[in-house]
Amino acid sequence: GQQVMQIPQYQHVQEGEDFTTYCNSSTTLSNIQWYKQRPGGHPVFLIQLVKSGEVKKQKRLTFQFGEAKKNSSLHITATQTTDVGTYFCAGRGTGNQFYFGTGTSLTVIP
Amino acid sequence: NAGVTQTPKFQVLKTGQSMTLQCAQDMNHNSMYWYRQDPGMGLRLIYYSASEGTTDKGEVPNGYNVSRLNKREFSLRLESAAPSQTSVYFCASSPLTGGNNSPLHFGNGTRLTVT
Repeated sequence: GQQVMQIPQYQHVQEGEDFTTYCNSSTTLSNIQWYKQRPGGHPVFLIQLVKSGEVKKQKRLTFQFGEAKKNSSLHITATQTTDVGTYFCAGRGTGNQFYFGTGTSLTVIP
Repeated sequence: NAGVTQTPKFQVLKTGQSMTLQCAQDMNHNSMYWYRQDPGMGLRLIYYSASEGTTDKGEVPNGYNVSRLNKREFSLRLESAAPSQTSVYFCASSPLTGGNNSPLHFGNGTRLTVT
């Protein structure tokens, strides 16, 4: 079956440092989505990437979709305490199923 | 609009008991999903319904059944609960069937403990 791997599982950074999480799929994806889940909360949609090589930015967040549409990354510049949470990628295959990565838990130390 | 509403928020069951988790969305979405979330495992798809009247198995369907009652409601049933089903359950909905602009909207989750 389809697998979406995400690394690292945990990341602790000092406030102001950068952060990156990586997502890799065993199969080609039709699109990839990114979600953020605050502690005790539910996943909230951040962005969707569809095209090969696509790059999108949301303020300090930069999202990339690989050329082969099998990998993706989320980079946060100059982290803030409000960035704390778990970041998930979710890959969509050929059907209507979304396969989630295992998530990266980000801790920001003030 | 309430978005995606899940009930109950918390539940404790004994092994062998049954229960149904309820989910309703008021966004007129076609697709609905049930995920479970366990530490270190991310979110795993249990069942989904691409449109009213259809349901399909996800990654971890064993021990569960679902019903797409109408376009708004998608329920998840545990017929005989087991400790391995202790988890946080999320229902989600998505606006389009087969389209690319289909973000998932999640409910607040149900925290289930099976003793």
